[in-house]
Amino acid sequence: GDSVTQMEGPVTLSEEAFLTINCTYTATGYPSLFWYVQYPGEGLQLLLKATKADDKGSNKGFEATYRKETTSFHLEKGSVQVSDSAVYFCALGGSTLGRLYFGRGTQLTVWP
Amino acid sequence: KAGVTQTPRYLIKTRGQQVTLSCSPISGHRSVSWYQQTPGQGLQFLFEYFSETQRNKGNFPGRFSGRQFSNSRSEMNVSTLELGDSALYLCASSLGIFGGSSTDTQYFGPGTRLTVL
Repeated sequence: GDSVTQMEGPVTLSEEAFLTINCTYTATGYPSLFWYVQYPGEGLQLLLKATKADDKGSNKGFEATYRKETTSFHLEKGSVQVSDSAVYFCALGGSTLGRLYFGRGTQLTVWP
Repeated sequence: KAGVTQTPRYLIKTRGQQVTLSCSPISGHRSVSWYQQTPGQGLQFLFEYFSETQRNKGNFPGRFSGRQFSNSRSEMNVSTLELGDSALYLCASSLGIFGGSSTDTQYFGPGTRLTVL
């Protein structure tokens, strides 16, 4: 079945450091892949998405490339800011319409 | 365009009671999905509605139910509340054109925080 495995945190970085959060997936067919971010006390916000192999999603300096050969969708950012502190979720939209499969989330804390 | 709204934002109930949560999707969206978020289990899918019909259901007991109205607004109900039902309940909407596809982006509301005492 469909599933997502995500690097668990917490991840603690200094401002301007490079960020990578690993995400791998298992799916039948041709899933779409998403990264969502959750700030304290809020719902999930879409950060970026990719709908087919080799697509690169990007937003606010974050990037992730849909790699079918390695079944991965790793999130990267070249220079993190304190305001990036949040929980990041990798998600897969697969064969079950209306259902996203989520990783466990990665807590990111960025120190000034 | 207004986002997904959920009411109420916070609820406190006692064991054995029942509760109804409401979700208004983004205008024009026809699919509404519900998720339960807890520290221990993470994000778990409850069910999804499209055109007033439940299309998919997660692995939750029958105490959890929902419905969707003709204007796409959705409600979920939990009967006979248990302590373990304490969670953040998230609603998400997506376009669902032609029934939807895996590429549909789900947009989430702020959630309803349910505490069961």
